[in-house]
Amino acid sequence: AAGVIQSPRHLIKEKRETATLKCYPIPRHDTVYWYQQGPGQDPQFLISFYEKMQSDKGSIPDRFSAQQFSDYHSELNMSSLELGDSALYFCASSPRPDSPLHFGNGTRLTVT
Amino acid sequence: AQKVTQAQTEISVVEKEDVTLDCVYETRDTTYYLFWYKQPPSGELVFLIRRNSFDEQNEISGRYSWNFQKSTSSFNFTITASQVVDSAVYFCALSEARNYGGSQGNLIFGKGTKLSVKP
Repeated sequence: AAGVIQSPRHLIKEKRETATLKCYPIPRHDTVYWYQQGPGQDPQFLISFYEKMQSDKGSIPDRFSAQQFSDYHSELNMSSLELGDSALYFCASSPRPDSPLHFGNGTRLTVT
Repeated sequence: AQKVTQAQTEISVVEKEDVTLDCVYETRDTTYYLFWYKQPPSGELVFLIRRNSFDEQNEISGRYSWNFQKSTSSFNFTITASQVVDSAVYFCALSEARNYGGSQGNLIFGKGTKLSVKP
C-alpha cells in the first residue's frame, strides 16, 4: 500500500540557511500534519492542513511556514535556521480530519 | 489542558516475557481519542491503535492488547510473549474531537517508553 512520502530523507544545513521539506500524502488523503521530534523527545505538532487550508496551528516558529498545494502535497519552509531546529520532521496524512494519522518516515534535519 | 504521562522511561525484558506499558492521560474534553504509536530504531512512527472516549472495550490484536479505563484515565498496552522485534519506543497520544464529526485535531504525545527485548 502507498505510504506518506517525505523528501529529502536527510538534510544538512548551516545556521541561517533556509530549508524546504516536502510531503506527499497517501492518495485520496486530504489532511496533512507536520510534527517536529527533537533528539530523545516526543513529537510536537507544528501545523495541519485540510483541503488546502490551514486547519490548526501548534508550536510552529514564526521562521517556519507551510502550505498545502492543489495536488495535496505539502511543503514546510524553514528560514534562518538555528542549531535547535535539528530534529526529525514528520509529515502525516489522513483521509478525513476524524481518521487516524499515517506518518511518513520523516526528514532528519541537521543544522551545523 | 491536555497531558499524557508515560511514567516508564525504559523497560527491559527477556524474550517471551509479557510487558505492560502504562499511559495516563488528562483532558477536560468528554470526547477524545487515544492512540498508541511504535517508533522502531529506524525512526518511523507506526500507528498501532486508536480508541475514542465512548468505546471502553478492550482490544486484542495478536500479541498486542489494550486496556482502556476511563475511571482511572488510563490506556495501557500489553505485549504478550515479547519478541526482539518489539524493541522500540512506544508513544501514547491523545487528541480532542473538535466537533460532532470527530475531527481529531493535533496529537499530544507522551514522552515515550523505550522497550528493549533481549534474546
